[in-house]
Amino acid sequence: ETAVFQTPNYHVTQVGNEVSFNCKQTLGHDTMYWYKQDSKKLLKIMFSYNNKQLIVNETVPRRFSPQSSDKAHLNLRIKSVEPEDSAVYLCASSTDSSNTEVFFGKGTRLTVV
Amino acid sequence: GEQVEQLPSSLIVQEGASVLINCSYTDSASVYFPWYKQEPGKRLQFIIDIRSNMERKQNQRLTLLFDKKTKHLSLHITATQPGDSAIYFCSASINTNAYKVIFGKGTHLHVLP
Repeated sequence: ETAVFQTPNYHVTQVGNEVSFNCKQTLGHDTMYWYKQDSKKLLKIMFSYNNKQLIVNETVPRRFSPQSSDKAHLNLRIKSVEPEDSAVYLCASSTDSSNTEVFFGKGTRLTVV
Repeated sequence: GEQVEQLPSSLIVQEGASVLINCSYTDSASVYFPWYKQEPGKRLQFIIDIRSNMERKQNQRLTLLFDKKTKHLSLHITATQPGDSAIYFCSASINTNAYKVIFGKGTHLHVLP
């Protein structure tokens, strides 16, 4: 199956802990993204990577750090999580040609208690 | 930066009705406008797109209209079905590549059987 795969599906952790989310795409795409979707379903771009290179880094707290080992993988690490980090984190990918559709993963729901 | 406004925030209609979702953007440099659908518990899914050199695009029961002068888009869905119930997102991309796609706040559509 070709798609965007995210793990874990859910994660509950305490304030101050470190978490790491994994994302892999088997679509052969060159560009990958992390989006944050809050409780009101609002979607915000966090990072965009093209061929392992950071292209877009929105105003995201420094405790968030993306990590890309190759163009098929883009992980997200959050050091010292805070309550406002509770959200669904969506990984996505697209080709590197002129604008085309973005393919999304099912998301990782983070709950910070 | 680019802002995308979407109205209405929610719609409740009877099966068979037509609906109209409006979207406006602020940055005249935006060139690509994909729309996505998110059903409960499922991943965001691309449904239709339009580029700034087009005025209209149709895909089965979906018709997307684009007015470059007024920076306005509208998505028309005809003969709605309960399976159309979802959140619909308008989005805009400035870059020639979709490195930074800005999403609207979404329209919650409920189609009653």
